[in-house]
Amino acid sequence: KNQVEQSPQSLIILEGKNCTLQCNYTVSPFSNLRWYKQDTGRGPVSLTIMTFSENTKSNGRYTATLDADTKQSSLHITASQLSDSASYICVVKGPFNKFYFGSGTKLNVKP
Amino acid sequence: GAVVSQHPSWVICKSGTSVKIECRSLDFQATTMFWYRQFPKQSLMLMATSNEGSKATYEQGVEKDKFLINHASLTLSTLTVTSAHPEDSSFYICSASRGVEAFFGQGTRLTVV
Repeated sequence: KNQVEQSPQSLIILEGKNCTLQCNYTVSPFSNLRWYKQDTGRGPVSLTIMTFSENTKSNGRYTATLDADTKQSSLHITASQLSDSASYICVVKGPFNKFYFGSGTKLNVKP
Repeated sequence: GAVVSQHPSWVICKSGTSVKIECRSLDFQATTMFWYRQFPKQSLMLMATSNEGSKATYEQGVEKDKFLINHASLTLSTLTVTSAHPEDSSFYICSASRGVEAFFGQGTRLTVV
């Protein structure tokens, strides 16, 4: 069964600290993996997209890693800011152009 | 970058009425658009795949007669919630793909009273 699981479900960190979010998937065949940031009441906004051959991709303070062998991905946020408070969703594109969504990690950055 | 615009961003309607939500790809043509529903604190759930010029493909458990989808042009797909009930209250989001990237609309908060 094609699934995407994210951990932790929620996370609270202090402003300025780093954090890492995890995404494990069983989707096969795998096309690409994306990380999205979703503010409350808004649509998801793309942070990174990685294909099978890519191991690391950065977008400012966001760095995503991908291990296609173990089917794991992580999103590392450096020097967190209050505006980073949001839900982070891992999305894997699988067969037949179908997207599989993780349940998201709700990040709360406190001052 | 590519932009997907969704309208309205929020709507309140009476039970039994119908509501139409529009999804537009502003600077690219999208032969396929996707409609999702998201309940509070839950992930996005795919409702249907909207195909330009043909019938939409609905996910299991989604009533096609209740959630009418029309994709009449390469830049516009509409979702109509017919005979809305309070349990239809949710956050509806559309997305469109261009190449390997997927872009999401801002979402529509539907409240049925």
